[in-house]
Amino acid sequence: AQSVAQPEDQVNVAEGNPLTVKCTYSVSGNPYLFWYVQYPNRGLQFLLKYITGDNLVKGSYGFEAEFNKSQTSFHLKKPSALVSDSALYFCAVRSNQAGTALIFGKGTTLSVSS
Amino acid sequence: GAVVSQHPSRVICKSGTSVKIECRSLDFQATTMFWYRQFPKKSLMLMATSNEGSKATYEQGVEKDKFLINHASLTLSTLTVTSAHPEDSSFYICSADSGRALNEQFFGPGTRLTVL
Repeated sequence: AQSVAQPEDQVNVAEGNPLTVKCTYSVSGNPYLFWYVQYPNRGLQFLLKYITGDNLVKGSYGFEAEFNKSQTSFHLKKPSALVSDSALYFCAVRSNQAGTALIFGKGTTLSVSS
Repeated sequence: GAVVSQHPSRVICKSGTSVKIECRSLDFQATTMFWYRQFPKKSLMLMATSNEGSKATYEQGVEKDKFLINHASLTLSTLTVTSAHPEDSSFYICSADSGRALNEQFFGPGTRLTVL
């Protein structure tokens, strides 16, 4: 069975500091990994994905994530946080079979203070 | 990118009534659509997988007679919450998979259901 763990309910950082939102996964076979962001009362916005290739993936709004197969992790990072980055972040995984659903982590609330 | 719409975006209904939520892929054909439910500040829980022209596959614990899913065409799936109760109040989000790109699903903006 596939699963995703986001160990932190909330991450607090000061504006301008680097941020990391953690994610570990469990899936059979090669995983497809995703990060989404959700603002209050809004749908999901796609940030980035890892399918294959370079372990460091760059996405929208200056975010990046590093795929680490040995640690089964896919942490989301940004070198310099903005107050506007404050939102709910979801890590998700799916298998490489067509027509399979995304399985989401519980979400991590990022709060960036000015 | 591909666009998925949901209608209505917000609905308030009385307990005991039924509510239909539509999910449409606007510029691609979706062989598979998924319905998720999200409680406030919580994760998205997969409710069911819907394939065009066939019965939906429901996740364990989801009542198929309460949450009716129809995927009659390659661009439309509907979720009907039958005999709604206050505990059905939630944010419902659909996503669509074209089957061509195996690495991304496209999400609708969500529907906020409030049952009084």
